[in-house]
Amino acid sequence: GDSVTQMEGPVTLSEEAFLTINCTYTATGYPSLFWYVQYPGEGLQLLLKATKADDKGSNKGFEATYRKETTSFHLEKGSVQVSDSAVYFCALSDQSNYQLIWGAGTKLIIKP
Amino acid sequence: EAQVTQNPRYLITVTGKKLTVTCSQNMNHEYMSWYRQDPGLGLRQIYYSMNVEVTDKGDVPEGYKVSRKEKRNFPLILESPSPNQTSLYFCASSAGLAGRRGTQYFGPGTRLLVL
Repeated sequence: GDSVTQMEGPVTLSEEAFLTINCTYTATGYPSLFWYVQYPGEGLQLLLKATKADDKGSNKGFEATYRKETTSFHLEKGSVQVSDSAVYFCALSDQSNYQLIWGAGTKLIIKP
Repeated sequence: EAQVTQNPRYLITVTGKKLTVTCSQNMNHEYMSWYRQDPGLGLRQIYYSMNVEVTDKGDVPEGYKVSRKEKRNFPLILESPSPNQTSLYFCASSAGLAGRRGTQYFGPGTRLLVL
């Protein structure tokens, strides 16, 4: 079945460092891909998404490109801030589009 | 303000005592869903509903019930809670299907401890 694999955390970086959180997937058909973010004590919220191959999603300085050839959707940010500390979830829509398939989440800690 | 609300936010209960966690959305969304979040396991879907009176099982439905009598409400019922249902629960809704059209909007979560 469809699945999403994320790099294990926690990922600890200093402020202004470059961020990459890896996400790879297996899926039949042509899923949409998502990154959701969960700030401490809150529910998840959509960060960015891409619906077809080579699409780039971007929001709040974060970017991710839908790479069908490598089945990846890595999250990047050029200069992280303390306020980016959160748990980041990669997800894909299954072929029916009824459900999202979730990665395990990656906790990001940014130190001043 | 568009939002998904859940109540209660925190709950401590004992094994076997029936409980209900309420979920309500004010965005007129058709699709609603319940997830549980456990360390290292990410989010796992419990049940979902595509519209009023239409519900279906997710990945981990055992021990849970849901109903969708009104579009805005989607309560989660634990008839006889057990300690392995201790978890963080999220309700979510979206305008369309969860994939291409439906960005999911999440509630703030309900932290449940079953003793």
